[in-house]
Amino acid sequence: DARVTQTPRDKVTEMGQEVTMRCQPILGHNTVFWYRQTMMQGLELLAYFRNRAPLDDSGMPKDRFSAEMPDATLATLKIQPSEPRDSAVYFCASGKDGPNTGELFFGEGSRLTVL
Amino acid sequence: ILNVEQSPQSLHVQEGDSTNFTCSFPSSNFYALHWYRWETAKSPEALFVMTLNGDEKKKGRISATLNTKEGYSYLYIKGSQPEDSATYLCALSSNDYKLSFGAGTTVTVRA
Repeated sequence: DARVTQTPRDKVTEMGQEVTMRCQPILGHNTVFWYRQTMMQGLELLAYFRNRAPLDDSGMPKDRFSAEMPDATLATLKIQPSEPRDSAVYFCASGKDGPNTGELFFGEGSRLTVL
Repeated sequence: ILNVEQSPQSLHVQEGDSTNFTCSFPSSNFYALHWYRWETAKSPEALFVMTLNGDEKKKGRISATLNTKEGYSYLYIKGSQPEDSATYLCALSSNDYKLSFGAGTTVTVRA
């Protein structure tokens, strides 16, 4: 079964540490999204890419978050320095040709706890 | 940012009963509307993607309709079962490939 793979599944770190989350989209998918699960908003969009180009990362705190797609098989979300308020589940999702024509497939999420 | 509103926020339904809930959006910014099912401790899974006014889609006991002119979509669950308990997310795509989610409707089916 083709699926989106996220690592790590669980991460506990201390405030101020750097955290990198990785996502392997489904082969052949050209749009990749990073979402954060929040109590108030459900799924908060952080950043997304099409054909590896970042289209919008306005949902991220720019001073500490960065998202990249070094190649078609890897997307990364980095937090430096991490803060307790960053504790959440981060989801990566990929789609073929974008959400205007087809569904997104979600990874299982990376649960981040910042102490 | 597309404003996607879902109502109600939560609902309880007796096993065997049918239910429905709403997703509202600004009709002028419509490209495609998605419905996802999100079970606790799992990841969201797509149910439907709809693009045309009047679209109706069905998967088992779950169906959805779309009215783009008035800016709403309904999701129906017929004969609810305990396994239907989940949060149902509506999302709207825009012309820049962004997919924005509503806060969801959490359905609890009581046996």
